[in-house]
Amino acid sequence: GAVVSQHPSWVICKSGTSVKIECRSLDFQATTMFWYRQFPKQSLMLMATSNEGSKATYEQGVEKDKFLINHASLTLSTLTVTSAHPEDSSFYICKTGSPLDSGHTSYEQYFGPGTRLTVT
Amino acid sequence: TQLLEQSPQFLSIQEGENLTVYCNSSSVFSSLQWYRQEPGEGPVLLVTVVTGGEVKKLKRLTFQFGDARKDSSLHITAAQPGDTGLYLCAGDISNFGNEKLTFGTGTRLTIIP
Repeated sequence: GAVVSQHPSWVICKSGTSVKIECRSLDFQATTMFWYRQFPKQSLMLMATSNEGSKATYEQGVEKDKFLINHASLTLSTLTVTSAHPEDSSFYICKTGSPLDSGHTSYEQYFGPGTRLTVT
Repeated sequence: TQLLEQSPQFLSIQEGENLTVYCNSSSVFSSLQWYRQEPGEGPVLLVTVVTGGEVKKLKRLTFQFGDARKDSSLHITAAQPGDTGLYLCAGDISNFGNEKLTFGTGTRLTIIP
């Protein structure tokens, strides 16, 4: 089946620096990629939706200039956390889906393994 | 405001006991999914429920979708330490399919041997 990978799996960076997280679909074309953030002991919160070749759509409260999303190809979406601060420390997970029917009413979900970001 | 509220938020019970986790919303979902997540990993799909009133069983886990498709429950019989984890319900209210998922607040379950 389809596999989604993320790189790096964990990263530690200093406050003020930028970090890029890659999400790759390994054996199918991911037209749409969803980025989630999960703080310790909390649920997944949707940050943004990215479509290949177009600008990402951000959820309310998510700063688009801070969390830069690029979806330049059907197999790669990137999330860059710019000028990271300790409060950005979180578990970042990407997700894509493959339609199960021609009407696109149901999807097979593929989650990345996540990237743990720690900002010191 | 969280669209999907789960209760309880935390649950710690002895091995062999039964438990139920609830997922409630004021919104109607075309389908709803349940996931389990281990620390440091992505969530793993347990089940998808689609029809109002639907009941699905997965070994010792029983999932039910409310008649109005606004709520769901997960019942575990004879819980085992391997059931420990974060349980998440998730749905899509866009009526365009379940590609864009909104997750519930989560229930952290601990089974004590």
